Amino acid sequence: GESVGLHLPTLSVQEGDNSIINCAYSNSASDYFIWYKQESGKGPQFIIDIRSNMDKRQGQRVTVLLNKTVKHLSLQIAATQPGDSAVYFCAEILQTGANNLFFGTGTRLTVIP
Amino acid sequence: EPEVTQTPSHQVTQMGQEVILRCVPISNHLYFYWYRQILGQKVEFLVSFYNNEISEKSEIFDDQFSVERPDGSNFTLKIRSTKLEDSAMYFCASRASRNTEAFFGQGTRLTVV
Repeated sequence: GESVGLHLPTLSVQEGDNSIINCAYSNSASDYFIWYKQESGKGPQFIIDIRSNMDKRQGQRVTVLLNKTVKHLSLQIAATQPGDSAVYFCAEILQTGANNLFFGTGTRLTVIP
Repeated sequence: EPEVTQTPSHQVTQMGQEVILRCVPISNHLYFYWYRQILGQKVEFLVSFYNNEISEKSEIFDDQFSVERPDGSNFTLKIRSTKLEDSAMYFCASRASRNTEAFFGQGTRLTVV
């Protein structure tokens, strides 16, 4: 299988602060990356994606940064809210073979009111 | 908004019994997946399916597992003789193309007793 890992298994932040969740990947052939949010008892929900020809992509309150040199991906959440509490997974997709999506370990984000 | 639907939401079965987990992917999607998530762990790839055949399968997807797309809408995962260690959340996902995100269902919680 492919190796997609996360630096920290848990992260606690104060409501209103910014959150940064990190992810390392090992396969240089990966060229498409997705961040998913998973709330308790639910399936992964798409947050934002980025392709390898980009370094940064912004969404609503979220920004994904990609550093291909060190194979690192991060998700930044601005003004974190209690509803952001969840497990966040990065996933990579190789544009070779069956083009499957592989998940990292996940980081549990807890927002403290 | 189109969504992937899975049934049942919870299945309890005795060890050794066969189970079929059902999924209805998003209607215009072409790529279908099954993933497994043991409680508290990461989402693990099981199998991908495209053009009416398996594209790739993981080591977890042994001879006890099979997938089928019996008609134009359903995508099923069958476990022939369940083991205790098959207890997990099973997620179905679908994608429109190789360059788009995967959409996940809410999962089926399988409990083998």
